[in-house]
Amino acid sequence: AQSVAQPEDQVNVAEGNPLTVKCTYSVSGNPYLFWYVQYPNRGLQFLLKYITGDNLVKGSYGFEAEFNKSQTSFHLKKPSALVSDSALYFCAVREGSSASKIIFGSGTRLSIRP
Amino acid sequence: GAVVSQHPSWVICKSGTSVKIECRSLDFQATTMFWYRQFPKQSLMLMATSNEGSKATYEQGVEKDKFLINHASLTLSTLTVTSAHPEDSSFYICSAPPGQGASGTEAFFGQGTRLTVV
Repeated sequence: AQSVAQPEDQVNVAEGNPLTVKCTYSVSGNPYLFWYVQYPNRGLQFLLKYITGDNLVKGSYGFEAEFNKSQTSFHLKKPSALVSDSALYFCAVREGSSASKIIFGSGTRLSIRP
Repeated sequence: GAVVSQHPSWVICKSGTSVKIECRSLDFQATTMFWYRQFPKQSLMLMATSNEGSKATYEQGVEKDKFLINHASLTLSTLTVTSAHPEDSSFYICSAPPGQGASGTEAFFGQGTRLTVV
């Protein structure tokens, strides 16, 4: 069965510093991996995805993520954090093109201090 | 992408009443919609999958008679919380699964509905 783990409930970073939000996954086939962001009382916004190709994918708002097959990880990164990046971040996995359901991680709350 | 519009954004209702939440696909036809529930500081829990023109598929442990799902057209799916109680207070989100709309890979979400039962 597919699963996603986000080991950190909360990540605190000073504005201007780089940030990393961790995600590991488990699927039996080729993974489709996603990052979504959620602001208070809002739905999820799509940030970026990895389907195939380059391991480093770039997404919205300056975020990027690196797919590491050997470590089954898909960590979210940003070189310089902004206070406005403070939100709840979800990693998600879909087991290839044949699956329609997406499994979400438990979420990581990112807090950027001025 | 695919635009999913969810209404209302928030609702407060009295215990024992029913509340309907609407989820519309604005620029594509949705044969399927996912309905999620999210508790505070927790991840999304898939409740059910609505299917246009047929019965919804509920996840294990979700009460079908409590959470009525209807997908009457290719642009509208609804979730009705019947005889609501305070424990039903939560954040409900609908989602268009991958393969619908402009993208074949990622899902798109409605804005969510904050339900408070008093």
